[in-house]
Amino acid sequence: GENVEQHPSTLSVQEGDSAVIKCTYSDSASNYFPWYKQELGKRPQLIIDIRSNVGEKKDQRIAVTLNKTAKHFSLHITETQPEDSAVYFCAANTNAGKSTFGDGTTLTVKP
Amino acid sequence: DGGITQSPKYLFRKEGQNVTLSCEQNLNHDAMYWYRQDPGQGLRLIYYSQIVNDFQKGDIAEGYSVSREKKESFPLTVTSAQKNPTAFYLCASSTGQVYQPQHFGDGTRLSIL
Repeated sequence: GENVEQHPSTLSVQEGDSAVIKCTYSDSASNYFPWYKQELGKRPQLIIDIRSNVGEKKDQRIAVTLNKTAKHFSLHITETQPEDSAVYFCAANTNAGKSTFGDGTTLTVKP
Repeated sequence: DGGITQSPKYLFRKEGQNVTLSCEQNLNHDAMYWYRQDPGQGLRLIYYSQIVNDFQKGDIAEGYSVSREKKESFPLTVTSAQKNPTAFYLCASSTGQVYQPQHFGDGTRLSIL
């Protein structure tokens, strides 16, 4: 089955700096890669996603890149703000719609 | 997403007792999922269902059971066979189609008395 590894497990940055979270996957059949943000005590929510036929996608301060050959994808957050502090999960989906999640990255943005 | 409702928010179980966690969605989604979340271990799939009256085991199904008698409902029973049930349980749903994300409920925190 699919295996997703996510790094780092914790990340601390100063407000205004950039943050990068990296994930690798094992199943070349995975074709959809969503990223979720989970604030403390709340449900995970989709923040951005990318399909396997796209190399990069951007939405304001958030971007995701995908290297299908190397089987890795990354989340980039620029100009970080304290409200970006949360746990971020990457996931890899196959055609069946089933997601395999990474273990999560706890991002702390220091004001 | 207000479309997925999990209840109760907190649940306490005695040793040897079965408990059932509720998950209801009004998003008209075909697929539903149950995850267990432990600190530092991300989301682990317990069971999933892609259509009514059908479901499959996920990665950690032992000690759990589910049913899918209605499209909008996917209850999870934590049986006494689950030796370490203390965790945060998340229910999710999706259209089941390619390139579609999952939508999560607010979760149920289960603790052993």
